[in-house]
Amino acid sequence: GQQVMQIPQYQHVQEGEDFTTYCNSSTTLSNIQWYKQRPGGHPVFLIQLVKSGEVKKQKRLTFQFGEAKKNSSLHITATQTTDVGTYFCAGNNNDMRFGAGTRLTVKP
Amino acid sequence: KAGVTQTPRYLIKTRGQQVTLSCSPISGHRSVSWYQQTPGQGLQFLFEYFSETQRNKGNFPGRFSGRQFSNSRSEMNVSTLELGDSALYLCASSFLAGLTGELFFGEGSRLTVL
Repeated sequence: GQQVMQIPQYQHVQEGEDFTTYCNSSTTLSNIQWYKQRPGGHPVFLIQLVKSGEVKKQKRLTFQFGEAKKNSSLHITATQTTDVGTYFCAGNNNDMRFGAGTRLTVKP
Repeated sequence: KAGVTQTPRYLIKTRGQQVTLSCSPISGHRSVSWYQQTPGQGLQFLFEYFSETQRNKGNFPGRFSGRQFSNSRSEMNVSTLELGDSALYLCASSFLAGLTGELFFGEGSRLTVL
């Protein structure tokens, strides 16, 4: 069945450094979504990518969907302490498969 | 507008018992999906309901079941509880079917099985 692998599992950065998390699916996806979950909180939707090769930006966040619609990345430029949390990708192909998440910690 | 409401927020059960969790979606949303979150397995999709019909189902045993009512509220039931069922159960609502749009998650129901 479909599997979504996400790396790295953890990332600790100094405030101001960049951060990237990657997702790779074993099958072609119809779309991929990204969520952020703060400690003790619930996942909050960030973005959905649908088109092959799509790139979307939200302020310091850049999301990419691969040409084959099997991989995706989230890049944060100049991290801030408010970026702390776990970032999940979720690949959709008739069911939703979440990556294991990347837990980001930011040292002020 | 009100967000997704899940009840109860916390509950403790013993092995062999059954549990029912409730989810009230955002007004106007007809899709409700359920997820299990554990430290070991992460977030796993259970099933999705849209207009009272189950549309998609994840890879969980038949002990996990759900339903959706005409007002879009949804319940999930786990029978014959096992220790491994201890988890945070999240539901999410969406305007669109098929998990193709933004999912709005509730705070979750934290189940502990003793």
